[in-house]
Amino acid sequence: DGGITQSPKYLFRKEGQNVTLSCEQNLNHDAMYWYRQDPGQGLRLIYYSQIVNDFQKGDIAEGYSVSREKKESFPLTVTSAQKNPTAFYLCASAPLVSYNSPLHFGNGTRLTVT
Amino acid sequence: AQKITQTQPGMFVQEKEAVTLDCTYDTSDQSYGLFWYKQPSSGEMIFLIYQGSYDEQNATEGRYSLNFQKARKSANLVISASQLGDSAMYFCAMREGNTGNQFYFGTGTSLTVIP
Repeated sequence: DGGITQSPKYLFRKEGQNVTLSCEQNLNHDAMYWYRQDPGQGLRLIYYSQIVNDFQKGDIAEGYSVSREKKESFPLTVTSAQKNPTAFYLCASAPLVSYNSPLHFGNGTRLTVT
Repeated sequence: AQKITQTQPGMFVQEKEAVTLDCTYDTSDQSYGLFWYKQPSSGEMIFLIYQGSYDEQNATEGRYSLNFQKARKSANLVISASQLGDSAMYFCAMREGNTGNQFYFGTGTSLTVIP
């Protein structure tokens, strides 16, 4: 079955360490996205990518970095510069420029930094 | 201006009753899509229903229907015959036709179904 795989489901890190969240999709979607969700809040866009080797900052890109070396993969690195990294991170994908196509989401990664 | 507005932070509904979750949107595009997602406490985002800007009929998917009022720019989700498993966060989202690679989300509505 096609879908989006995020790993791991739970991640714990010490403050000051960089951490990379994995996101892989086999839906053949061109566009991929990373969202952050804090408890009881909505989704905030961190980064998105429309094509390999290209990506754009979202609303809260500071302290995060991404890469898009392959169509299927869009890993997110939470750097030590991110002031409050503890959150729920959702990866998503969609066909390119097709306004009737929904976002498909992974199951998310809960990151806790202490 | 907010692209998507959900004005109900929390809603309660009696089991087996119907409930309407409000969503208004703001766009100048003629072509756009409107989506509703359900997020249970486990965290995954479940796509529920889609309405296109050119669709003349309201979308329906099982117990979910979308009350689309284009002139008012509203896309309310109606859940009929509520079940305990419907308790979750619900998000309204929009994808615009001209710059269709960004999705805009509302802040969500927390629905609690009371037995």
